[in-house]
Amino acid sequence: GAVVSQHPSWVICKSGTSVKIECRSLDFQATTMFWYRQFPKQSLMLMATSNEGSKATYEQGVEKDKFLINHASLTLSTLTVTSAHPEDSSFYICSATSGPSSYNEQFFGPGTRLTVL
Amino acid sequence: GENVEQHPSTLSVQEGDSAVIKCTYSDSASNYFPWYKQELGKGPQLIIDIRSNVGEKKDQRIAVTLNKTAKHFSLHITETQPEDSAVYFCAASRVNNFNKFYFGSGTKLNVKP
Repeated sequence: GAVVSQHPSWVICKSGTSVKIECRSLDFQATTMFWYRQFPKQSLMLMATSNEGSKATYEQGVEKDKFLINHASLTLSTLTVTSAHPEDSSFYICSATSGPSSYNEQFFGPGTRLTVL
Repeated sequence: GENVEQHPSTLSVQEGDSAVIKCTYSDSASNYFPWYKQELGKGPQLIIDIRSNVGEKKDQRIAVTLNKTAKHFSLHITETQPEDSAVYFCAASRVNNFNKFYFGSGTKLNVKP
């Protein structure tokens, strides 16, 4: 149980285009999903927290107009990188939690490698 | 906010030896401390976690200890195997903070056969 998937696993795009990454909880309802960014050999940096049906909460320094997050259902959240540039190239990882009763546990997806040319 | 520090950044051990990774945290209200293993190109996998009402937890070759007074927790891996080689992250979080995790900087463990 507690499986989180991401799609695509990797994507290459041209500078200026937009890329959408999907995060799905496969066997549980995710009241909260998180989006992280990870640079090579570095730790996970929380970008935003998203609750189903409400606007995402972005961490300081993360541009909400550039990283659009939608959490339309209890099993799906999407991250859209708009007008991508080479500096947006990174490993993007989502995680999900089923709510307070789960007592903090987060289940992570396998990540999406984004390369912007 | 919470600040989690992790040491060492790299650790090399011989197969069969033990490995210990340590983390400290700053927020005394933190009450959940998971450890994740991340292999190259993959997402983090939970390997063990501990809650603040427990001082120690063990799962086969893996154990975690928590010292709330000193605000530090440690991961212990015994009888290491080459497949234990990966990057390990500790994290801290607390209830009523939207389940936000604060991660340590990671430890690259290399188990030499």
